[in-house]
Amino acid sequence: DAKTTQPNSMESNEEEPVHLPCNHSTISGTDYIHWYRQLPSQGPEYVIHGLTSNVNNRMASLAIAEDRKSSTLILHRATLRDAAVYYCILTGAGGTSYGKLTFGQGTILTVHP
Amino acid sequence: DTGVSQNPRHKITKRGQNVTFRCDPISEHNRLYWYRQTLGQGPEFLTYFQNEAQLEKSRLLSDRFSAERPKGSFSTLEIQRTEQGDSAMYLCASSLAGTGVVGYTFGSGTRLTVV
Repeated sequence: DAKTTQPNSMESNEEEPVHLPCNHSTISGTDYIHWYRQLPSQGPEYVIHGLTSNVNNRMASLAIAEDRKSSTLILHRATLRDAAVYYCILTGAGGTSYGKLTFGQGTILTVHP
Repeated sequence: DTGVSQNPRHKITKRGQNVTFRCDPISEHNRLYWYRQTLGQGPEFLTYFQNEAQLEKSRLLSDRFSAERPKGSFSTLEIQRTEQGDSAMYLCASSLAGTGVVGYTFGSGTRLTVV
């Protein structure tokens, strides 16, 4: 599996935007970029995914570099409930893929009131 | 549907005892996964079922571990002769074939402590 690199931790103030970076220099042309987050004492939850184009949903935006070697998860206005570990994960798009996720250590996001 | 349900939420056991965890996936999901997460680490894949068939097992899954999914519905994960190194959060997830990882829903996990 292609590897991702994320900062160990980041901090933000409430109601400010947060940009969480992820490097994936060995990404292949068919790898999707997924972001999951894990709130304290919960299982991970899906946030967003993309292939080449930037993506928006109700939770966040995903900005993908033109060469696809990096991406950024954007939380437009952080709230205290966004404090979590954020994981950037690559998955293959092959038809036989069954969706196994390979997690790294992720980025611990702290949100200050 | 209330999502993926895991029971118990917490389990404390003495070393050498056997433990069993249960996972009830989202009812229409035909794929079910087990992961293990130790403190400060991301979850690690253990095994995967499509319907009742166990299609892959990680090398992390020693002979003391066994998982079943009878009739393709709920699943159980049993650990025999527990060791202190088995202390971890055991996570279950389910998805619907064809949706890739977008439809991947995790439960809240079972935290195992072996004393």
